[in-house]
Amino acid sequence: DQQVKQNSPSLSVQEGRISILNCDYTNSMFDYFLWYKKYPAEGPTFLISISSIKDKNEDGRFTVFLNKSAKHLSLHIVPSQPGDSAVYFCAATCYDKVIFGPGTSLSVIP
Amino acid sequence: EPEVTQTPSHQVTQMGQEVILRCVPISNHLYFYWYRQILGQKVEFLVSFYNNEISEKSEIFDDQFSVERPDGSNFTLKIRSTKLEDSAMYFCASNLAASYTFGSGTRLTVV
Repeated sequence: DQQVKQNSPSLSVQEGRISILNCDYTNSMFDYFLWYKKYPAEGPTFLISISSIKDKNEDGRFTVFLNKSAKHLSLHIVPSQPGDSAVYFCAATCYDKVIFGPGTSLSVIP
Repeated sequence: EPEVTQTPSHQVTQMGQEVILRCVPISNHLYFYWYRQILGQKVEFLVSFYNNEISEKSEIFDDQFSVERPDGSNFTLKIRSTKLEDSAMYFCASNLAASYTFGSGTRLTVV
């Protein structure tokens, strides 16, 4: 039972363009959503988060949008850089548990 | 910047042996977690720990697994009798508010 879904296992984007990573969830009790970035052989690194009471959070090149009615969130990276190439995990929290999505592998092509 | 430290980075063990994976969470954090990622699969929740006891565990976390915080700084995951399918990357994490900090992981290989 996947409560957090990332339906695109991979994504390729040209350097300088926008990367949009999508995430869907099923549990309306989730109160916080997070994006993590993970390089090979390393642990996930926190990137940006959004509370369920907000619909947008921006931090530099990274913006997360939340659509609660659609149970959907997305991470926008503008402009994309080759160093952004990594696996991106969407995660959601409910009480003291973090549930990760399966991840989307982003490749930014120079 | 504070970090979560995991040791060892790589552990090879024979099937049936006990292993202990060690983690030093960030000192003022209150919640501690173990996750694992089998190669090519998603990161899976194993267990959360708060106030010196397990607050939640997944179906993966069966009787072969246990966690301890023996001395107020270390947070350990013990697998009593390892199986081949326990081979995975194990991540420790801690959090205070909504931001989670992960360790860099221990790669466990069961042969």
